[in-house]
Amino acid sequence: EAGVTQSPTHLIKTRGQQATLRCSPISGHTSVYWYQQALGLGLQFLLWYDEGEERNRGNFPPRFSGRQFPNYSSELNVNALELEDSALYLCASSVAAGTKEVYEQYFGPGTRLTVT
Amino acid sequence: KQEVTQIPAALSVPEGENLVLNCSFTDSAIYNLQWFRQDPGKGLTSLLLIQSSQREQTSGRLNASLDKSSGRSTLYIAASQPGDSATYLCAALPQLTFGSGTQLTVLP
Repeated sequence: EAGVTQSPTHLIKTRGQQATLRCSPISGHTSVYWYQQALGLGLQFLLWYDEGEERNRGNFPPRFSGRQFPNYSSELNVNALELEDSALYLCASSVAAGTKEVYEQYFGPGTRLTVT
Repeated sequence: KQEVTQIPAALSVPEGENLVLNCSFTDSAIYNLQWFRQDPGKGLTSLLLIQSSQREQTSGRLNASLDKSSGRSTLYIAASQPGDSATYLCAALPQLTFGSGTQLTVLP
């Protein structure tokens, strides 16, 4: 069974540009989560999508946005890139989320975004 | 707001030693607690998930416990090996809050 996949592996952008990161969940998983892992700052929750809808959002500015497609894959968009957006962006998936519950998460290998 | 703390931040042990990693959380209204390992520059690998109705889970040399009343979870690694060297993270769900991790080095 294929795991969570992310593309691209590496992405280099200049300040002010836009970045698009992609994630494909494990087959049968409908929830997708995005996290940012900046150097020295730990793993920070960004966005959670389930069944095509945004379920929750972390403490990030609106220039971080995303969407989930009918096949449950997801896209993270970062507009007006800033130097501090340089980080490893991780995507995770889980089976369908209940009203409150989050089930076991499985992570992809990440996309390394470098902003120069 | 849920806060998750992991102690110690770093740990170095000789091969073969048994060790305990600690994770504490401030909001006891958690549904699950999940332990992961992360190798440098890589994604996270799920190790164990403890549901709120459980007190512990075991997988091979790993045993994780959960005490919601005290806001604590521990990950016990038996007979450590150099291949266990990695950063270990715990996450409180559904708050999706991660600890900063414990960087473990097992010396051959």
